[in-house]
Amino acid sequence: AQSVAQPEDQVNVAEGNPLTVKCTYSVSGNPYLFWYVQYPNRGLQFLLKYITGDNLVKGSYGFEAEFNKSQTSFHLKKPSALVSDSALYFCAVREEDTGRRALTFGSGTRLQVQP
Amino acid sequence: DARVTQTPRDKVTEMGQEVTMRCQPILGHNTVFWYRQTMMQGLELLAYFRNRAPLDDSGMPKDRFSAEMPDATLATLKIQPSEPRDSAVYFCASGPDSGRTEAFFGQGTRLTVV
Repeated sequence: AQSVAQPEDQVNVAEGNPLTVKCTYSVSGNPYLFWYVQYPNRGLQFLLKYITGDNLVKGSYGFEAEFNKSQTSFHLKKPSALVSDSALYFCAVREEDTGRRALTFGSGTRLQVQP
Repeated sequence: DARVTQTPRDKVTEMGQEVTMRCQPILGHNTVFWYRQTMMQGLELLAYFRNRAPLDDSGMPKDRFSAEMPDATLATLKIQPSEPRDSAVYFCASGPDSGRTEAFFGQGTRLTVV
């Protein structure tokens, strides 16, 4: 079975400061990892993914994430937060080569960026 | 700009009534997912289809929920009879048949059962 943990319900950061949203995963084989963002009353928007290759992946809106296999983590980062980054962030996993296409999501982390 | 379209956006209904939610996946996507979002449970997978065939509906209460894909351009999620505990936001998502590809989400249907 696959699972995702987002240990923080909320992360608060001042505008201009770096931000990190944490995610750890559990799968039997190799993971495909995804980050999504949800703004109020909207659907989930894809930010970035790790499939294979370079452990540091870059995505939309200046976000990046680092895959760490030994720590089974895929933390989302941004060097300088904007107030407009305030939203709900979801980490998701899918296991490689199982044929199962459905993503398993974490519980979400609310990011609050203060001016 | 291709997108997943869900209707209705909002639905308020009385307990016991039938509710049907519709989803138009992105043209060419042959996997379709239904998720439910609540404060308590987060995002739960209800069902998913590949090439219109249901592959996994283990997350769906079978006695009252049903999901179908009458054709490649329409997926439906039906609740009959609805109950207050079904109040949630229901999302449809679609994607190509590849494990390496992200899923694309619709805007959701906010269901309130009173």
